[in-house]
Amino acid sequence: DGGITQSPKYLFRKEGQNVTLSCEQNLNHDAMYWYRQDPGQGLRLIYYSQIVNDFQKGDIAEGYSVSREKKESFPLTVTSAQKNPTAFYLCASRVRGDQPQHFGDGTRLSIL
Amino acid sequence: GQSLEQPSEVTAVEGAIVQINCTYQTSGFYGLSWYQQHDGGAPTFLSYNALDGLEETGRFSSFLSRSDSYGYLLLQELQMKDSASYFCAVRDNYGQNFVFGPGTRLSVLP
Repeated sequence: DGGITQSPKYLFRKEGQNVTLSCEQNLNHDAMYWYRQDPGQGLRLIYYSQIVNDFQKGDIAEGYSVSREKKESFPLTVTSAQKNPTAFYLCASRVRGDQPQHFGDGTRLSIL
Repeated sequence: GQSLEQPSEVTAVEGAIVQINCTYQTSGFYGLSWYQQHDGGAPTFLSYNALDGLEETGRFSSFLSRSDSYGYLLLQELQMKDSASYFCAVRDNYGQNFVFGPGTRLSVLP
């Protein structure tokens, strides 16, 4: 079945550690997005990518990095520079034009 | 700046009709979307308006007035399973990305 797969579902980060969240889609979508959601809040855009080997910063990119080496994959690295990483991270993708975003099931990141 | 406003909470009983409003102020506008998110889950797409007027999809309808920078989601024949958070989102920046509202938590009571 086509869809977006995020892994892992739960992730724990130690002080000073970088961690990478995986996002893979087999929908043949061009655009991919990473959002952060804090409890009781809306979604805030971290990074997005319209095509392979190109990505743009969103509203809260500091302390995060991404890559887009393949159309299907858009991993997010939460670096040690992100001092408050505890949140629910959502990956989304869509085709271009007036089409909605499809979301993965999310990764819940906590600090140890 | 870019901002979307929604009521934080709405409560209604089963079988009732509820309207969730969204006002927006963004640098560009390419359409207003609505998403539903159950606790701990991923957002799922409900409806999209690019032009003024009403879009109907089953029990859910969405309305847009671009001149008023305003839209709403209308949920009819409420069911317990409709208890969730509802987010409006504007597609802007030449249509490249989305700005989400803070969400409205809907509680449906028996």
